[in-house]
Amino acid sequence: QQPVQSPQAVILREGEDAVINCSSSKALYSVHWYRQKHGEAPVFLMILLKGGEQKGHEKISASFNEKKQQSSLYLTASQLSYSGTYFCGIRGGAGSYQLTFGKGTKLSVIP
Amino acid sequence: DTEVTQTPKHLVMGMTNKKSLKCEQHMGHRAMYWYKQKAKKPPELMFVYSYEKLSINESVPSRFSPECPNSSLLNLHLHALQPEDSALYLCASSQDDFSGPFANTGELFFGEGSRLTVL
Repeated sequence: QQPVQSPQAVILREGEDAVINCSSSKALYSVHWYRQKHGEAPVFLMILLKGGEQKGHEKISASFNEKKQQSSLYLTASQLSYSGTYFCGIRGGAGSYQLTFGKGTKLSVIP
Repeated sequence: DTEVTQTPKHLVMGMTNKKSLKCEQHMGHRAMYWYKQKAKKPPELMFVYSYEKLSINESVPSRFSPECPNSSLLNLHLHALQPEDSALYLCASSQDDFSGPFANTGELFFGEGSRLTVL
């Protein structure tokens, strides 16, 4: 089942912060986050494996609320290079290879 | 080597043609995936091979035929496609070292994709 992402699109000025949310109607075992720039392949950002887990990569971090069946991606002090479409992906179940992506959030960072 | 290589990068074919897309990885990953992506849409899972066996087929039409000759290679054979099959076809691989509920949670490494146009 496809996770729901919000917002669908966001425009930021350099240095501003953004939050992208991903929620599911079913139990989550792991949440993946990827970024895809126009004309390129999706690139892995991070995986959250446990409820409550938080991870960070430079100024991009994420949290995973197992109880609420949702994850959030935080982008702080955004840079032009952060522009792209962000997808969250969830596995089909414990031990499943199926990874289903949300519809994506288009992030545009302007000077 | 952390690359997934796909060939060709671009392919134009007629509805009666037979062609193949190829994907190769040398990371020792045992799971390989085919995804289809239309413009402004997320990647949609088509097939998953696990240890060279077809693990998932997401009800894909038979005009798409996957093949996994060995653990490093994945092919997608195309025959009698329709114009609506035009899309970016992405190959990915993953390695999963966990067991239990967190098995098969490894990150996906994507190739650059093969952009297919069906006339």
